[in-house]
Amino acid sequence: EAEVAQSPRYKITEKSQAVAFWCDPISGHATLYWYRQILGQGPELLVQFQDESVVDDSQLPKDRFSAERLKGVDSTLKIQPAELGDSAMYLCASSQFGANTEAFFGQGTRLTVV
Amino acid sequence: AQSVAQPEDQVNVAEGNPLTVKCTYSVSGNPYLFWYVQYPNRGLQFLLKYITGDNLVKGSYGFEAEFNKSQTSFHLKKPSALVSDSALYFCAVRARRGGYNKLIFGAGTRLAVHP
Repeated sequence: EAEVAQSPRYKITEKSQAVAFWCDPISGHATLYWYRQILGQGPELLVQFQDESVVDDSQLPKDRFSAERLKGVDSTLKIQPAELGDSAMYLCASSQFGANTEAFFGQGTRLTVV
Repeated sequence: AQSVAQPEDQVNVAEGNPLTVKCTYSVSGNPYLFWYVQYPNRGLQFLLKYITGDNLVKGSYGFEAEFNKSQTSFHLKKPSALVSDSALYFCAVRARRGGYNKLIFGAGTRLAVHP
């Protein structure tokens, strides 16, 4: 069964350092999402791609976060510099295009900023 | 504005009893509704969705959900709970914005099934 791949699974970084997460969506899925999930809360959408284009980044803290999906396939989310409040689970998901399609999630990256 | 509310932080149920996890939504136009489950340190797993048609939707692991348009609700149900159903459950609504589809999640409900 096809899966969304994310790496690394766990990341510990010091504040003010740069950190990057990688996501490989299910083949053929045009829509890719990055969510942030703080412990005990629901996922919050950070950025949504349609192919290689950003279609929603309204909740992305653009002063420190960036995301790209250069060839419309895999994607990278970067934080520079990391802050203590960035500690969270970062989830990547993908779906086929369309309002009635479900999103499939990767295992997530657990980030701890110390 | 589009939103999802899960009014219960936690639901406790005895094994073998029926369970209900509540969800209400607010969205412009026709809603597309989803339920996901999350186990510790894992991503979200899709359970079921409502797009159109029959108000009772059946999904994975014996779960079902009932769409009620007048009450703007989409409650998750299971006739007989298992201890292994204990997890975090999220309701989500697909909202349209600028021609694209923003998937918005509720805060989650922790389900605890006791032996």
